[in-house]
Amino acid sequence: DTGVSQNPRHKITKRGQNVTFRCDPISEHNRLYWYRQTLGQGPEFLTYFQNEAQLEKSRLLSDRFSAERPKGSFSTLEIQRTEQGDSAMYLCASSLYSNQPQHFGDGTRLSIL
Amino acid sequence: SQKIEQNSEALNIQEGKTATLTCNYTNYSPAYLQWYRQDPGRGPVFLLLIRENEKEKRKERLKVTFDTTLKQSLFHITASQPADSATYLCALDPPGSQGNLIFGKGTKLSVKP
Repeated sequence: DTGVSQNPRHKITKRGQNVTFRCDPISEHNRLYWYRQTLGQGPEFLTYFQNEAQLEKSRLLSDRFSAERPKGSFSTLEIQRTEQGDSAMYLCASSLYSNQPQHFGDGTRLSIL
Repeated sequence: SQKIEQNSEALNIQEGKTATLTCNYTNYSPAYLQWYRQDPGRGPVFLLLIRENEKEKRKERLKVTFDTTLKQSLFHITASQPADSATYLCALDPPGSQGNLIFGKGTKLSVKP
């Protein structure tokens, strides 16, 4: 069990640029989740995948955000035309089934200049 | 909408004492509730999961209770140590959830030697 891996750990970009983050879940886990966390707050759900199917999106996920999980393995989260308000820690988690503990990566911290 | 409240933003205790953290929720009854630990700059780490039909769960020095009448969970750390200092997050499954979680803001625990 190598755990959930996220890359990059930090990303600094200018407002208006596009960014992409990668998440590698625990290999046998079917479910993969994306959350966003700002300072002093708990993680907020963005979207999740069951294998390669994206089954739910939060209203927080505007049309500038897109997530994929090709072949049900790793996942990418892309933010287009970044805004100041996108600055946050983006966390990925995976689980074997629903109603099971989620295992989180250490996140990608996004800073918008 | 579903709301979670963790009793305080910060809790300071002396080493060796029992830390008790509170999580209150409103508007519905979750099927289960989870507790996570988060250290600065890291992702949350799963600690305990308790289901609606369970009153209490233990793991080493940790104990969680779940009172569905009071809509409250208590998280206890006995014989606390400075290494227990971290932010502790309460999370539950919102209505209609297929696995995504709603998190509280967390309680920052500091254990002084």
